[in-house]
Amino acid sequence: GIQVEQSPPDLILQEGANSTLRCNFSDSVNNLQWFHQNPWGQLINLFYIPSGTKQNGRLSATTVATERYSLLYISSSQTTDSGVYFCAARGGSGNTGKLIFGQGTTLQVKP
Amino acid sequence: KAGVTQTPRYLIKTRGQQVTLSCSPISGHRSVSWYQQTPGQGLQFLFEYFSETQRNKGNFPGRFSGRQFSNSRSEMNVSTLELGDSALYLCASSPTPQGNEKLFFGSGTQLSVL
Repeated sequence: GIQVEQSPPDLILQEGANSTLRCNFSDSVNNLQWFHQNPWGQLINLFYIPSGTKQNGRLSATTVATERYSLLYISSSQTTDSGVYFCAARGGSGNTGKLIFGQGTTLQVKP
Repeated sequence: KAGVTQTPRYLIKTRGQQVTLSCSPISGHRSVSWYQQTPGQGLQFLFEYFSETQRNKGNFPGRFSGRQFSNSRSEMNVSTLELGDSALYLCASSPTPQGNEKLFFGSGTQLSVL
């Protein structure tokens, strides 16, 4: 099955800094999503982005499907951005198969 | 619109017991997926149900089972609990089969097995 790897595993930023999180996947994907898990365990869907670029406020994401990676950009980080960021991918064609999660990037934003 | 609702929020059981967790998806969503999250293994897929049919299953022993009702609510059951079953169990819903659209997660059920 598809393998999903995220980097870096941990990231510490000062408030106001920018960051880029990376997600590599081992096969072609027909689904790629980014999630943020807050310190209370709630997983929030940030982007559904199997290809192309999307922006939502200070967050944006780009997936280059042909090169098998996706990037999540966080600009002007805030302490509320702290938590774990996951990407999840589904490989192959059609609508079968399951979403596989990467191991996550743990982000700590210091005031 | 109400989000994905999981009950109970916390659960403490002893080895050998069985447990049933419940998940109510967002209204109109027909796909429900279950994930197990542990510090060592991360988020692992358990199974997905769509229109009362299991579509996919992860690599978990037969002690883990699930079902979906006609109103799309889902339950998962773990029998003969082991210490290693202690985890956060997350349920997610989407309108169509898993991942054709955004996946929305509930707050999870934290299961502790003593």
